[in-house]
Amino acid sequence: IQLTQSPPLLSASVGDRVTITCRASQGVGSSLAWYQQRPGRAPKLLIYAASTLQSGVPSRFSGSGSATEFTLTIGSLQPEDFATYYCQQLSVYPRSFGQGTKLEI
Amino acid sequence: EVQLVESGGGLVQPGGSLRLSCVASGFSFSTQSMTWVRQAPGQGLEWVATMREDGSEKQYVDSVQGRFTISRDNAKNSLYLQLNNLRVEDTATYYCARGGQSRCDYWGQGTRVTVSS
Repeated sequence: IQLTQSPPLLSASVGDRVTITCRASQGVGSSLAWYQQRPGRAPKLLIYAASTLQSGVPSRFSGSGSATEFTLTIGSLQPEDFATYYCQQLSVYPRSFGQGTKLEI
Repeated sequence: EVQLVESGGGLVQPGGSLRLSCVASGFSFSTQSMTWVRQAPGQGLEWVATMREDGSEKQYVDSVQGRFTISRDNAKNSLYLQLNNLRVEDTATYYCARGGQSRCDYWGQGTRVTVSS
């Protein structure tokens, strides 16, 4: 299953609301997760099962969607949110990631 | 506190082998699926392999099938990835992650593998 994220690069400012989209080439139900990766760091789980917020993740992060179209929304950007975001499908093997969306100031 | 600590990376020639290790602590290792994910320099994430908690199922990305082997020792809280017949394109940071069925919720800091002559 191919996952296509858009946009690949997103420029925004502190306080903005932003949305990243992940489209799957086949339906994955709700088996989709979102990760944040800061430079030089390991990925961090934000959202799983398409819309469930991982414990300890700020509530400004939210996820929605099902089947082939998913979105990650950040409600009010904070300085620490500027990073790269990846979606991953966990419906079938091989598991696959989107190519990433870099969120820059 | 959940911790995952990878080791075993390094510089190896094409065709060579390495064994990566991931030692887990802070949770019941024997009840969790475990996953390896890699990231080539400047590139995105690539899922490599997942193994069920009891070893009953192992899955690999096509590009490593037959060359890499995922294994675990639940008595030692350890996950392994044996890398054989390495290629230049296997150069990456390899991450160990807890889970793999519905999410990967904890990640190690990664270990770097460089394949070069």
